[in-house]
Amino acid sequence: AQTVTQSQPEMSVQEAETVTLSCTYDTSENNYYLFWYKQPPSRQMILVIRQEAYKQQNATENRFSVNFQKAAKSFSLKISDSQLGDTAMYFCAFMKSPMDSNYQLIWGAGTKLIIKP
Amino acid sequence: GAVVSQHPSRVICKSGTSVKIECRSLDFQATTMFWYRQFPKKSLMLMATSNEGSKATYEQGVEKDKFLINHASLTLSTLTVTSAHPEDSSFYICSWVAGSSYEQYFGPGTRLTVT
Repeated sequence: AQTVTQSQPEMSVQEAETVTLSCTYDTSENNYYLFWYKQPPSRQMILVIRQEAYKQQNATENRFSVNFQKAAKSFSLKISDSQLGDTAMYFCAFMKSPMDSNYQLIWGAGTKLIIKP
Repeated sequence: GAVVSQHPSRVICKSGTSVKIECRSLDFQATTMFWYRQFPKKSLMLMATSNEGSKATYEQGVEKDKFLINHASLTLSTLTVTSAHPEDSSFYICSWVAGSSYEQYFGPGTRLTVT
């Protein structure tokens, strides 16, 4: 069975700093998808970034980028020039390649990120 | 794009009554959706998977007769908590599968309090 581990329960950085959130996963699958979701205090879950395992290039979305290390089964999220609005819970999630239309996500426990002014 | 609504956002009900939560995809259609439950400061706990036109698949430990799912169309699903009890108090979130990478798009959640 697949598992997702986020080893940092809470992190805190100053505004404008760069922060990296870690995520490791365990799977025997070769094709899969990885996601980072953000849940701010409003509790609305928002997709931050996605990565397909077959793509070697790391995904980037503006200030958000990932370091995807397939062999190490690591999928860290880097937030550059952090802003107060980045304060949120961040969840890492794994999905097997949906060959059988199974789109279930395996969730990490989350990392609470606090951006200090 | 990919906007999901949930109604109500908050509901308080008395023990023994039923409450219905509605989840709509507003600007897209999708076949598969999920219902989650989230406890404070915890990750999402999958309750059930629902495909339009099929019976929902419930996760182990989730009573299908207590948490009734009606997946009426490609844009509407409802979760009815029947005979609610205080232990059912929680934050309930729905999501729909869409997008090129099968990502899930989430509703804003419903906070249920059973008194």
